[in-house]
Amino acid sequence: DAGVIQSPRHEVTEMGQEVTLRCKPISGHDYLFWYRQTMMRGLELLIYFNNNVPIDDSGMPEDRFSAKMPNASFSTLKIQPSEPRDSAVYFCASSFLGLADYNEQFFGPGTRLTVL
Amino acid sequence: DQQVKQNSPSLSVQEGRISILNCDYTNSMFDYFLWYKKYPAEGPTFLISISSIKDKNEDGRFTVFLNKSAKHLSLHIVPSQPGDSAVYFCAASPGGAQKLVFGQGTRLTINP
Repeated sequence: DAGVIQSPRHEVTEMGQEVTLRCKPISGHDYLFWYRQTMMRGLELLIYFNNNVPIDDSGMPEDRFSAKMPNASFSTLKIQPSEPRDSAVYFCASSFLGLADYNEQFFGPGTRLTVL
Repeated sequence: DQQVKQNSPSLSVQEGRISILNCDYTNSMFDYFLWYKKYPAEGPTFLISISSIKDKNEDGRFTVFLNKSAKHLSLHIVPSQPGDSAVYFCAASPGGAQKLVFGQGTRLTINP
């Protein structure tokens, strides 16, 4: 398997523009997570889905952020309008619960977002 | 409100010696703990985990210790190797949920 795929790997945009980050989870995984990494706050969970349904979006910073999962193999995180403080590395991760109490999450390589 | 804290942003250890990374948590509902390792320009990768019903879990050179009364866990790497140089994240999962709460990470540097 190719692992979790994220695109683009790097994104540079200007304040006020719309940004869309994309993620393809590992095939067969039923959980998908979006994280943001910053120096100040480390790795923060933004939102996660189970079987394409959003379960917990309490980490989404504000209404400018939205996430969708239209099918089991694709998810987007959108920021509109973007602001310089949104500059960070955004990670997507997926996991499969199966019969275990907890299963590890597999992370993508991340998207480095810079908002000028 | 940082529920998982890694108070040491960096740690430097001599090759062959033991590396000890520490993590504290505040939420007593956490019942599963994990360590992830992250190299530059890559996503974090799972390293080792421990359930709250245990106090130790070992996997090769890596051992995780859990002290529930102190709400503290640690990762021991022995012997440390240059390839262990990375950022290490501690993470915890609340009971019944798949979400993870991460610490801020500790950058480990192994010196030859």
